[in-house]
Amino acid sequence: KAGVTQTPRYLIKTRGQQVTLSCSPISGHRSVSWYQQTPGQGLQFLFEYFSETQRNKGNFPGRFSGRQFSNSRSEMNVSTLELGDSALYLCASSETGFLYEQYFGPGTRLTVT
Amino acid sequence: AQSVTQPDIHITVSEGASLELRCNYSYGATPYLFWYVQSPGQGLQLLLKYFSGDTLVQGIKGFEAEFKRSQSSFNLRKPSVHWSDAAEYFCAVGEGNTGNQFYFGTGTSLTVIP
Repeated sequence: KAGVTQTPRYLIKTRGQQVTLSCSPISGHRSVSWYQQTPGQGLQFLFEYFSETQRNKGNFPGRFSGRQFSNSRSEMNVSTLELGDSALYLCASSETGFLYEQYFGPGTRLTVT
Repeated sequence: AQSVTQPDIHITVSEGASLELRCNYSYGATPYLFWYVQSPGQGLQLLLKYFSGDTLVQGIKGFEAEFKRSQSSFNLRKPSVHWSDAAEYFCAVGEGNTGNQFYFGTGTSLTVIP
C-alpha cells in the first residue's frame, strides 16, 4: 500500500495570509490526525478526523481548522498566519483512531515570513 | 499536569554498544504507549507500541521496550546499535480517560560513533 502523502512539502507564506495543507491517508484508513512540530514546543496534537467528523481536538486556537472528505483525504487550514506558525506539520492516518497505531507522512514545512 | 518526559536530550553511543532511552509519563491509568523514530527531514516511524498484556514488547529494527507500571516508565532498548540508528526518538502516549489526547515527549537525539 502507498504510504501517507502530504502536499505541498514546502510552503512559504506571509504573516496574515492563510494556508491549506493536504493529506492523503493510507488506503482504507478512516482516521486522519494532524500534528505541529516546532523546535520550541515539540510535537503537539492538533486534531483528529474520523469518517468526515472531527472527533478529537488539541489545544490550538480557532485559526487552525480542518476537514475530511468522503475519501478520507484531509485538509488543514490556518488563517491569519503568525510567525509562530512556522513549523513542520505532520499528518498521520490510522485504521481505528489516533490513540492506536498511526502512520505518519513526511510533513509539510511551513515558513511564515 | 499530564506529561511525557524524556530526560535525555541527547545520547551518544558507540556502534555495537547497547542503548537505553528513558521515558516517563504521568497519567492516572495505563495509557497506550508508543516509541517513534524520526530521521532528518522525515516523518515519524512507529517502532513499537504497548496497549496491554506482556510488559516487554518487541518492535522493528531490533528494538524492544518494557512497561513498568510502578515506575510509570516505558524505556526503549536495543542490545547492539547500528550507525543507521542515529535519529531522533520520541516516546508518545495516547490517553483516553480524560478526553482523548495524544502527547509526545520532547525527544532524544541519538548519535552513533564508529
